[in-house]
Amino acid sequence: EVQLVQSGAEVKKPGESLKISCKGSGYSFSTYWIGWVRHMPGKGLEWMGIIYPDDSDTRYSPSFQGQVTISADKSISTAYLQWSSLKASDTAMYYCARHRSRYSSSFKDAFHIWGQGTMVTVSS
Amino acid sequence: DIQMTQSPSSVSASVGDRVTITCRASQGINNWLAWYQQKPGEAPKLLIYAASSLQSGVPSRFSGSASGTDFTLTITSLQPEDFATYYCQQANTFPFTFGQGTRLEIK
Repeated sequence: EVQLVQSGAEVKKPGESLKISCKGSGYSFSTYWIGWVRHMPGKGLEWMGIIYPDDSDTRYSPSFQGQVTISADKSISTAYLQWSSLKASDTAMYYCARHRSRYSSSFKDAFHIWGQGTMVTVSS
Repeated sequence: DIQMTQSPSSVSASVGDRVTITCRASQGINNWLAWYQQKPGEAPKLLIYAASSLQSGVPSRFSGSASGTDFTLTITSLQPEDFATYYCQQANTFPFTFGQGTRLEIK
């Protein structure tokens, strides 16, 4: 079964760092683009960025560039989203999602397989 | 960034009704448009990709169409499980932006 399994919910204080994970299984992890989507409480979905694990080619939304880091370790089929200094406004559900089609040339694509989401709460 | 404007922001309908949701792109996106369904507490689910291609396993009552920069998701004969929030997303130009969502409620 193709699936993405995300790490568990996190509760952090402002200024703390955090790295959440997304582990793929049942497919060739390194040859599909995988991305991150933010869903703030009561708001819509926001596309944060995507990475191609095979060569770590990464594209960010300008809204998130410099605020987060997207990375991947293809040896363990895991993608990551990390913050160096969290803010209260980072409180949200974060989803990882995999593109439908294989290979780096297929970056124009929809998110087909989704993780279950990781809730990040930032509060003092 | 390309802006994706969905309308309406919410709609009320009854089981058996036909519903249409529209998404307008601020510039051309070469039909690189996807539609997703999201229910409370769940991850989004891909319904339509490339503007009009039905994702495998999605009921045929869902369909998508395109006309220039205007895109439409149509649900015929609404079922109880279709009441959810729907999002469009363009995948032509980085960043790949979502529409603001359309909430489909039971009348």
